[in-house]
Amino acid sequence: RKEVEQDPGPFNVPEGATVAFNCTYSNSASQSFFWYRQDCRKEPKLLMSVYSSGNEDGRFTAQLNRASQYISLLIRDSKLSDSATYLCVVSHSGGYQKVTFGTGTKLQVIP
Amino acid sequence: DGGITQSPKYLFRKEGQNVTLSCEQNLNHDAMYWYRQDPGQGLRLIYYSQIVNDFQKGDIAEGYSVSREKKESFPLTVTSAQKNPTAFYLCASSPPGTADTQYFGPGTRLTVL
Repeated sequence: RKEVEQDPGPFNVPEGATVAFNCTYSNSASQSFFWYRQDCRKEPKLLMSVYSSGNEDGRFTAQLNRASQYISLLIRDSKLSDSATYLCVVSHSGGYQKVTFGTGTKLQVIP
Repeated sequence: DGGITQSPKYLFRKEGQNVTLSCEQNLNHDAMYWYRQDPGQGLRLIYYSQIVNDFQKGDIAEGYSVSREKKESFPLTVTSAQKNPTAFYLCASSPPGTADTQYFGPGTRLTVL
């Protein structure tokens, strides 16, 4: 089983729609969780951290479910500019802080 | 402006040649990382360095070498021993005390002909 698993998509959604992605992780000792955004042929950029209590940043909401070992990202009122690949990132301590990137979920927002 | 720069953006090399990818940061970060990204795969860690003059192998270090003589610089050499070097190479750095908030350079797309 992969350490971090994501549905590769693509998720094709109309503008204004709400879309959600999940990401599962296998290591129960994982401590920190993040969502990164990667545009086509560009570098990943940190979108938001994921806290146990859940957190919201504008149209984006991230949640963590430790019992079921997954994190989620909800995007409301999708914009064309949201089209990108969303990478799930999980880290845990082990000598150095080991960071594992998921393969990403591709989102395409359609006019 | 603070950030990470990688050069060149595109690089073409003949099979059997060594090639060095540049990575420079002026964020005053201690830790730096090299990843490669292939289609359909997540970022895979090649090497990382937590401090000057020290570096450690990541998950796929075979066929690669690095140096960390200066805090700002972490060059990666792709040697002829790397079996499948064509990929998108990303350099990153992280602030002191945390490795999970990483700032990436724009990447170098290496094609070996």
